[in-house]
Amino acid sequence: EVQLVQSGAEVKKPGESLKISCKGSGYSFTSYWIGWVRQMPGKGLEWMGIIYPGDSDTRYSPSFQGQVTISADKSISTAYLQWSSLKASDTAMYYCARRGGGADYGGKSPFDYWGQGTLVTVSS
Amino acid sequence: EIVMTQSPATLSVSPGERATLSCRASQSVSSNLAWYQQKPGQAPRLLIYGASTRATGIPARFSGSGSGTEFTLTISSLQSEDFAVYYCQQYNNWPPIFTFGPGTKVDIK
Repeated sequence: EVQLVQSGAEVKKPGESLKISCKGSGYSFTSYWIGWVRQMPGKGLEWMGIIYPGDSDTRYSPSFQGQVTISADKSISTAYLQWSSLKASDTAMYYCARRGGGADYGGKSPFDYWGQGTLVTVSS
Repeated sequence: EIVMTQSPATLSVSPGERATLSCRASQSVSSNLAWYQQKPGQAPRLLIYGASTRATGIPARFSGSGSGTEFTLTISSLQSEDFAVYYCQQYNNWPPIFTFGPGTKVDIK
């Protein structure tokens, strides 16, 4: 069974750093892209970026380039999203999601499995 | 950058009625369009991919259509568990870049 399990909720102060995680299991972690999606309170879904754990190829949405860093440790099947200096406006739920395999979806693929989400609260 | 729009923002429907949701892309995304359902407190769930193919386990009352820039999600007979927010997403780019629409909330009339 494919699973993405995210780290627990975080409460941080502005200016602090943070790294949240997403551990994949039940599939070949290095063979599928993992994306990150932000959902601010009461708002919609925003795609932040994506990484291919096999070679760490990483792409960012222009809206998030330079604001966050996406990484992965394939030895422990875990992807990460990190901030060096949090702002109150980073308060949101963050989801990781697996991009499906091309063979399953006829080429280009949507997000087929999602983590449970990590709530990040930034407040002084 | 591809911009996705959805209409209406909110759709009020009675149980058993049909719901029709629209999604538009600012440029062609071919058939690389997905629909997701999100219920309060839950992660999104993939409903439709390739504009018209139901994901595994999705009931037949959900159907998708369209290609290019205009897409539709139809729920033929709304059940209580279908009241949720629905997002469209394009995934036409390579390397992979994704864009979500702003969502349509389907609530009880």
